[in-house]
Amino acid sequence: DAGVTQSPTHLIKTRGQQVTLRCSPKSGHDTVSWYQQALGQGPQFIFQYYEEEERQRGNFPDRFSGHQFPNYSSELNVNALLLGDSALYLCASSLQRAYVDYEQYFGPGTRLTVT
Amino acid sequence: AQSVTQLDSHVSVSEGTPVLLRCNYSSSYSPSLFWYVQHPNKGLQLLLKYTSAATLVKGINGFEAEFKKSETSFHLTKPSAHMSDAAEYFCVVSGYGGATNKLIFGTGTLLAVQP
Repeated sequence: DAGVTQSPTHLIKTRGQQVTLRCSPKSGHDTVSWYQQALGQGPQFIFQYYEEEERQRGNFPDRFSGHQFPNYSSELNVNALLLGDSALYLCASSLQRAYVDYEQYFGPGTRLTVT
Repeated sequence: AQSVTQLDSHVSVSEGTPVLLRCNYSSSYSPSLFWYVQHPNKGLQLLLKYTSAATLVKGINGFEAEFKKSETSFHLTKPSAHMSDAAEYFCVVSGYGGATNKLIFGTGTLLAVQP
C-alpha cells in the first residue's frame, strides 16, 4: 500500500514564475491538506480539499490555489512567486467523516527554492 | 483559537537517559492533540494522538504523553533515549473539534542525543 506521494521532490523557480506541485493521497483517503514549512519553522496550513472543493483555508494569499481531482489527487499552484515562498511543501491525506478527527498522513514534501 | 507552545527549542540528552519535551496548548474546544516527529530530509510521522479518551497516551518507539487539562499541557516523554530519537518534534493541535481539520503546529523542539 503506497503512502502519500508528492512530485517533484525538488524544484527551483525564479521570482514571478508560477509553480504546480502534485500530491497523491494514501489509498482509501478522500481528503488532502497542504502545508508550507519554512526553514526552521513548523508547518503552516494552506488549505484542505474534500469532494473536489476547498473546505478550509489558512492565512495565505490568493496566489496560492489548489485543485482536487475525482481520483482524490491534488495540485497546489502558486502564482507570482516571491523569494519568501521558498519552503518545503507538505501534503497530508486523511479520511473525512463528521465528528471524527482522523489521523493525517504526510508525504515527503516538495522542496521549492525561489531565486 | 487553537494554538500550541513548545517551551524548548532545543533539548539535549545523553543516550539512555529520560526525554521530556514540553508543550502547552490553548483551545476553545475539547482538543485533539498530537506529537509528530520529523527526521532530517524525511516526512512527518505521527508519534501519538490524544482525542479525549485515556489521558495517558502511548505511542510508537516507547514515547508517551499525558494530557493534563488543569495545566493545559501535553508533554512528551520517553524513559530512555536512543541515538535514533535525534530529530525535530512537533506538538500539534487540531483546528476544532469534529471532522478532520487543519493541524496547528508548534515551532518544534530539536532533540539531540549524545552518546
